[in-house]
Amino acid sequence: QSALTQPASVSGSPGQSITISCTGTSSDVGGYNYVSWYQQHPGKAPKLMIYDVSKRPSGVSNRFSGSKSGNTASLTISGLQAEDEADYYCSSYTSSSTNWVFGGGTKLTVL
Amino acid sequence: QLQLQESGSGLVKPSQTLSLTCAVSGGSISSGGYSWSWIRQPPGKGLEWIGYIYHSGSTYYNPSLKSRVTISVDRSKNQFSLKLSSVTAADTAVYYCARAGSGWYFDLWGRGTLVTVSS
Repeated sequence: QSALTQPASVSGSPGQSITISCTGTSSDVGGYNYVSWYQQHPGKAPKLMIYDVSKRPSGVSNRFSGSKSGNTASLTISGLQAEDEADYYCSSYTSSSTNWVFGGGTKLTVL
Repeated sequence: QLQLQESGSGLVKPSQTLSLTCAVSGGSISSGGYSWSWIRQPPGKGLEWIGYIYHSGSTYYNPSLKSRVTISVDRSKNQFSLKLSSVTAADTAVYYCARAGSGWYFDLWGRGTLVTVSS
């Protein structure tokens, strides 16, 4: 069982927007602005898409945005494109001895 | 451009020790402000952080694996390594090395290497 809770799957049509949630506790998501999101295509390594809740690394499309409210962080992808179909993982710093926790991952299907 | 590349045995027998190395190219592993992690992903499952070594040499491990894990750095070879002892089938996974920069996020990943535990 993952420390952070994500929906197993989400789907949307091209051009639409979708949001993936990531729920933790006050010891991780809710307590720190250190939530990051990763995109993983099949057989590939994860790629950083969002860090520090809402910051985008250079080169990542501005169609990707992040936010947080309480113990839940969210990744929103607007203007869905076929290439966005992938698995998405959230991660957070945690004050527990684990240091880092991941969500279980969400499979995004572009219909 | 900095790159990470994992290498090591792809098949390990149960109860033996898994050994992997992550070679850092295009930059120095001794650059301050970075930590170097190992993360694994069992087939069809999610990501699990194993541990990291800081640029200073300090190490931090996932408590669930701490008794079996050792992460070390070889600055002369610009690489860091993972040893996981007493492996079982549950340790079968793709193992990634990754860098964390100034914050709590992994900004650079290796391509990953599949390690299978089987007799």
